[in-house]
Amino acid sequence: KNEVEQSPQNLTAQEGEFITINCSYSVGISALHWLQQHPGGGIVSLFMLSSGKKKHGRLIATINIQEKHSSLHITASHPRDSAVYICAVGRGGGADGLTFGKGTHLIIQP
Amino acid sequence: DAGVIQSPRHEVTEMGQEVTLRCKPISGHNSLFWYRQTMMRGLELLIYFNNNVPIDDSGMPEDRFSAKMPNASFSTLKIQPSEPRDSAVYFCASSLLAVAGNYGYTFGSGTRLTVV
Repeated sequence: KNEVEQSPQNLTAQEGEFITINCSYSVGISALHWLQQHPGGGIVSLFMLSSGKKKHGRLIATINIQEKHSSLHITASHPRDSAVYICAVGRGGGADGLTFGKGTHLIIQP
Repeated sequence: DAGVIQSPRHEVTEMGQEVTLRCKPISGHNSLFWYRQTMMRGLELLIYFNNNVPIDDSGMPEDRFSAKMPNASFSTLKIQPSEPRDSAVYFCASSLLAVAGNYGYTFGSGTRLTVV
């Protein structure tokens, strides 16, 4: 079993829909990261969370430390949100390497 | 700041050749990471440095892989000899480690390596 599990693997939705991507992890973490990768592109860090909730524009990330679960929400989705969203966890309390989920491939159709 | 700068962006080489990938982290960041991304295995940590010192190289697949960070503004990842199974996108990332933890990662654009 992978240490970081994401669901769904693939998601296709219509423009304007509310999107939720889930991430569960099985190890103790210092922080959880949500990353975005466009096809053939680089990786952009969206959020780093150790507790609670963060919001940036139409993106919201939450984490429940007790349940070892995090969600990434996109409100009023747009075709430009189409990308792979990757959940990753850092362990050890400092600047340590990340362990990644397999990613969720999101397509928003106009 | 120009962000994390990796070079080259693309590299095509023949099996058996030496390959050197380069990374310039964000100025002031004191942690640097090398990751590899393949279709089969996704993203994996290869090695990371704190204050130019290698901390964990357990992800380096074989002795053919080596990484150095001679100063705070430059790192290399070398593969010698290269093999077709090394074909992947290699990402460098940097972050700032502070007492309270790190402040998130900045990734480079990646080097797409093809070994034929």
